[in-house]
Amino acid sequence: DTGVSQDPRHKITKRGQNVTFRCDPISEHNRLYWYRQTLGQGPEFLTYFQNEAQLEKSRLLSDRFSAERPKGSFSTLEIQRTEQGDSAMYLCASRLGQINTEAFFGQGTRLTVV
Amino acid sequence: GENVEQHPSTLSVQEGDSAVIKCTYSDSASNYFPWYKQELGKRPQLIIDIRSNVGEKKDQRIAVTLNKTAKHFSLHITETQPEDSAVYFCALNRDDKIIFGKGTRLHILP
Repeated sequence: DTGVSQDPRHKITKRGQNVTFRCDPISEHNRLYWYRQTLGQGPEFLTYFQNEAQLEKSRLLSDRFSAERPKGSFSTLEIQRTEQGDSAMYLCASRLGQINTEAFFGQGTRLTVV
Repeated sequence: GENVEQHPSTLSVQEGDSAVIKCTYSDSASNYFPWYKQELGKRPQLIIDIRSNVGEKKDQRIAVTLNKTAKHFSLHITETQPEDSAVYFCALNRDDKIIFGKGTRLHILP
């Protein structure tokens, strides 16, 4: 499968627990993005990487959220001390380095905090 | 930050009729405008995009128009079919990020 893959597809966790999601982008794509999507809304930008460098974080991203892309390939998104408001679909996307190219999305990880 | 306003939020059209979704934006520096389709439970997928050096682009039943002066762009779907039922998102590129509108849920009525 040469598309963007995310793991796990679903995660149910108790409030206060930490969770970590993984994204494997398309191999030649150097840009990797994390989005959050809630029901009835568009994908909301969280953060993005160019290779291993994290270039921008949304001001909506609290300090409980952290993302890494240590070798410029896969990325992880960790949420510490989860809250019910963190329940959402977390989408990863990747694209080639040139400006104005298509972003390809993964299937997402659906997080439910109970 | 950049906002993309998308209208309508819901649209119902008779099968075979046309559907039009409109988006407006404020940052004149935006120069790439993709449209994504998201079916229930699936990932968003690009259906068409347009760059600021052209005013219109067409791909079979789908077309997008861009008015950079007025800062709006639109998606046109002609001869709608049941499989067109989905949520459609307009988006734009700003500072290497893709910013999305809130989406339009399109219902194709039999």
